[in-house]
Parts: sequence; C-alpha cells; structure tokens
Amino acid sequence: DAGVTQSPTHLIKTRGQQVTLRCSPKSGHDTVSWYQQALGQGPQFIFQYYEEEERQRGNFPDRFSGHQFPNYSSELNVNALLLGDSALYLCASSLEAGTLSGANVLTFGAGSRLTVL
Amino acid sequence: GQNIDQPTEMTATEGAIVQINCTYQTSGFNGLFWYQQHAGEAPTFLSYNVLDGLEEKGRFSSFLSRSKGYSYLLLKELQMKDSASYLCAVSLPSGSARQLTFGSGTQLTVLP
Repeated sequence: DAGVTQSPTHLIKTRGQQVTLRCSPKSGHDTVSWYQQALGQGPQFIFQYYEEEERQRGNFPDRFSGHQFPNYSSELNVNALLLGDSALYLCASSLEAGTLSGANVLTFGAGSRLTVL
Repeated sequence: GQNIDQPTEMTATEGAIVQINCTYQTSGFNGLFWYQQHAGEAPTFLSYNVLDGLEEKGRFSSFLSRSKGYSYLLLKELQMKDSASYLCAVSLPSGSARQLTFGSGTQLTVLP
C-alpha cells in the first residue's frame, strides 16, 4: 500500500520564478494538507484541500495557491518566489470521515526540498 | 496566537531513558500528537493524547496534563536509530480537525 508520494524531491529556483509541487495521497485518503518546514523548525500549515476545494488556510500570502484533482491528488503553486520560501514542503493526507485518533490524523510524505537562489 | 514550546536539542546515551517536554498555550485543545522525523524523511506518528494521563506503546510513552498545558514523550532503552527530531503538535477546535500546530521540534542525539 503506497503511502504519500511527492515530486520533485529536490528543486532549485531563482527569485521571482514560479514553482509547482505535486502530491499523491495515501490510498483511501481524500483530504490533502500542505505544510512548510523551514530548516530547524516545525511544519507550518499552509492550507488543506477536500472535495477539490480549499477548506482551511494558514497564515500564508496569496502567492501560495493549490489545487485538488478528482483523484484526490494535489498541487501546491508558489508564485514570485522569495529567498524566504526556501524550505521543505510536506504533503499530508487523511480520510475526512475517519475518526480523529492518533495515526488516523495525518500521513506525511517525505517532502519536496525547494531552494530559492 | 498559538504557542508550543519544546527544547531545541537533547543528548542521551544508548540504553538510557530520555524525557522530552512540551508546553502549549493555545486557544482550545483537541488533542496532542508526537511525531518522529529523521533527517530528510517524512514525520512519522508516534503517539496521541486527548485525555490526561500516560499512553504507553512499547519503548515510547507520552503523558498529558491538560490543566497544565504540558506533555512529555518518554523514550526508554535508547537506540542509535532514535537519533531524530521529535515534534510536538496540537490539534485545535477551530478549523479542520486535521490541521495541526507544531512546535519547532527537539533534535535528539543518541551517543554510543
């Protein structure tokens, strides 16, 4: 049973460019959340997608946008990249109807490491 | 705002016991989670507490006191592979039940 897969694993961009990161949720999951993890910090919530709509959003500017497809996979787009956007971007999936308990909450992917020069 | 505090770094010896503390000040509480994250890898779930008390799972235990806004993760019989970052996270009543607010993580180094 495949877990959460993300692509690309690493990428380098320059300031002002745009980037798209992709995520396939764990089989059976229907909700995708995106987190940003700066070096030496904990993950920070960006937004969550369910039924192809953004349902919840953290404290991130509109340069960060996303999409969820009918097969539950998701994309994270960041426009006008800044040096401060350099981070590990984590995708986490879950089942909306699942009980809130322990491991059922979130399953994380290994992340996409973005470096902005 | 939400505030979750945990020590930045800890060091312990193989075979020993280590306790990683986490304090939180949040607007509400729906549960507290501990995740383990090895460098370059995905965070993996360790434990979940929603009621006061101790939850034990093999070499790992987690304790919660809601009145004190305090939790700890206890790791027994430390092994070299336990060297990792340990993340404390809180689920809040507002927003999605699966939107977690994380602390900055505690980097644990296990020495031989």
